[in-house]
Amino acid sequence: AQSVTQLDSHVSVSEGTPVLLRCNYSSSYSPSLFWYVQHPNKGLQLLLKYTSAATLVKGINGFEAEFKKSETSFHLTKPSAHMSDAAEYFCVVSSRGSYIPTFGRGTSLIVHP
Amino acid sequence: EAQVTQNPRYLITVTGKKLTVTCSQNMNHEYMSWYRQDPGLGLRQIYYSMNVEVTDKGDVPEGYKVSRKEKRNFPLILESPSPNQTSLYFCASSLSGLGSYEQYFGPGTRLTVT
Repeated sequence: AQSVTQLDSHVSVSEGTPVLLRCNYSSSYSPSLFWYVQHPNKGLQLLLKYTSAATLVKGINGFEAEFKKSETSFHLTKPSAHMSDAAEYFCVVSSRGSYIPTFGRGTSLIVHP
Repeated sequence: EAQVTQNPRYLITVTGKKLTVTCSQNMNHEYMSWYRQDPGLGLRQIYYSMNVEVTDKGDVPEGYKVSRKEKRNFPLILESPSPNQTSLYFCASSLSGLGSYEQYFGPGTRLTVT
């Protein structure tokens, strides 16, 4: 069984300040974890993924995430928010052998000027 | 350009009128899937296909049908749409269905059933 919880439905930051989007997961087997971004009226785009290699994963547009097995977390961070980062972000878990990934409910990132 | 296409992008229909949403990918991917996105619920998988002629139910298959006769196409069929199927639908494809592979998403189809 697998599940994912995005701890915040909305996160509001000012441009130039750090971003933290939180994700906790549950998985019976070694999980693969993903962060996707969805800009308004667009499909989802992969930001980064963890698949049992390095625990600190770097993605596109300056985002990174750290896999912490002891805390079952995969939080997404960025040192400095940009206006173009305003979007919906989804954390996804997929267990080894599973063909059905589980999506979190999403976190809406709002960036103020 | 590698992409997943869906048609139509927007559709308004009435209860009970059969409809098909098409999905096509040009990346020679084996795995394709359909999701619906509803506010506050994230994306939920409807059906998936591991390869041609191989399909299986996702988390919310009721009221939907799919077929995979060709590798590149994976249409979603609503035989008798109802208002609770009003949603935003996404098609996705992946090199393999095994968990470590990323998915490529289409632009979405917004369906309204009155």
